[in-house]
Amino acid sequence: QKEVEQDPGPLSVPEGAIVSLNCTYSNSAFQYFMWYRQYSRKGPELLMYTYSSGNKEDGRFTAQVDKSSKYISLFIRDSQPSDSATYLCAMSDDTGFQKLVFGTGTRLLVSP
Amino acid sequence: EAGVAQSPRYKIIEKRQSVAFWCNPISGHATLYWYQQILGQGPKLLIQFQNNGVVDDSQLPKDRFSAERLKGVDSTLKIQPAKLEDSAVYLCASSLGRQLNTEAFFGQGTRLTVV
Repeated sequence: QKEVEQDPGPLSVPEGAIVSLNCTYSNSAFQYFMWYRQYSRKGPELLMYTYSSGNKEDGRFTAQVDKSSKYISLFIRDSQPSDSATYLCAMSDDTGFQKLVFGTGTRLLVSP
Repeated sequence: EAGVAQSPRYKIIEKRQSVAFWCNPISGHATLYWYQQILGQGPKLLIQFQNNGVVDDSQLPKDRFSAERLKGVDSTLKIQPAKLEDSAVYLCASSLGRQLNTEAFFGQGTRLTVV
């Protein structure tokens, strides 16, 4: 079993839809939870990160962490074609941005 | 602010050949990472440097992979000899330091194809 599981997709939605992206994990030591966006042939860029459980909102993006279920989510409101990319979740224990364990990524396609 | 620079962008080699990748981190960033991203997978950390010292290389296949960061700035990652399964994108990332909330910024990567 992988430490971090993520549905590879692709997930296809129409413009304006609410998108839900999810990851599950098995390592209860994980405390830092990140979401990265990766456009084709580019490096990952950080969207949001949270520490421990709870919600965090930034514009159209909301990250949720449920440590009791070992489940994290990223919601994108009013999705745009420019949101089409691969979304990677990443996690670490007490090392912050060091020793990140990534999911496989979910490919999102937003059609106009 | 300039981002993390990597070269070359693409490389095609035959198995058993050698290859080297170069990374120039963001100016002033003390911590440098090399990740391997195989097609359809998330990045996997290979090695982490703090200045010119190795912090973590537990996932680096040391029989064929080597990395150095001379003078604590630029870094090179070498594969010798390459295997077919080394085909991947090699990502370099850098951060200011090892503080917990210090974001790591990624370069565009070098796409290696081993034939």
